Amino acid sequence: EVQLVESGGVLVQPGGSLRLSCAASGFTFSNYAMNWVRQAPGKGLEWVSTISDSGGGTFYADSVKGRFTISRDNSKNTLYLRMNSLSADDTAVYYCAKSGANCYNGWGQGTLVTVSS
Amino acid sequence: QSVLTQPPSVSAAPGQKVTISCSGSSSNIENNYVSWYQLLPGTAPKLLIYENNKRPSGIPDRFSGSKSGTSATLGITGLQTGDEADYYCVTWDSSLSAGRVFGGGTKLTVL
Repeated sequence: EVQLVESGGVLVQPGGSLRLSCAASGFTFSNYAMNWVRQAPGKGLEWVSTISDSGGGTFYADSVKGRFTISRDNSKNTLYLRMNSLSADDTAVYYCAKSGANCYNGWGQGTLVTVSS
Repeated sequence: QSVLTQPPSVSAAPGQKVTISCSGSSSNIENNYVSWYQLLPGTAPKLLIYENNKRPSGIPDRFSGSKSGTSATLGITGLQTGDEADYYCVTWDSSLSAGRVFGGGTKLTVL
């Protein structure tokens, strides 16, 4: 069974930085692209970033490009999201999601990032 | 403003059927697969439908998906109170640099 456990969400000041982690188990992590998806309070789901199975390809939503960096450590079965220059607009629950056949076929419970002074 | 348009809310009585629409364009739905997700408060999102009309193992056949042209539809029959949740459609958009686009979400109320 796919298990994804996010961590690292905290209260951070505007302009601050944060690194989220997602520990994966139940599947061969290195065989799958991985994603971050977020949901701001009272809003819908929003794709944030994707990384290929090897880590050689990374993609970002325009809203986070240049500020966020997705990475992975296949030896540790862990996905990361480094977030810099955070603003209130980045306040959201951040979900880690596994790529499947033209879908996201595994999700974590999410970790809450709050950007506020 | 989402690229994919869903009704903000739908409602129906237990045991009844409901459909949730997802409207897009030729750059997204018409030429790409659509998937659907259920989001219950405080829980991980769940994949309900992938590649327009396929159900993952463990998803009951009360849930169905279809696509025609630039629109997709999620159908739920035999509504249960446990189906009360937010539902999202997702697909690729070839006009964007990368990644998938989400609908705005639909809140299903089981009266």
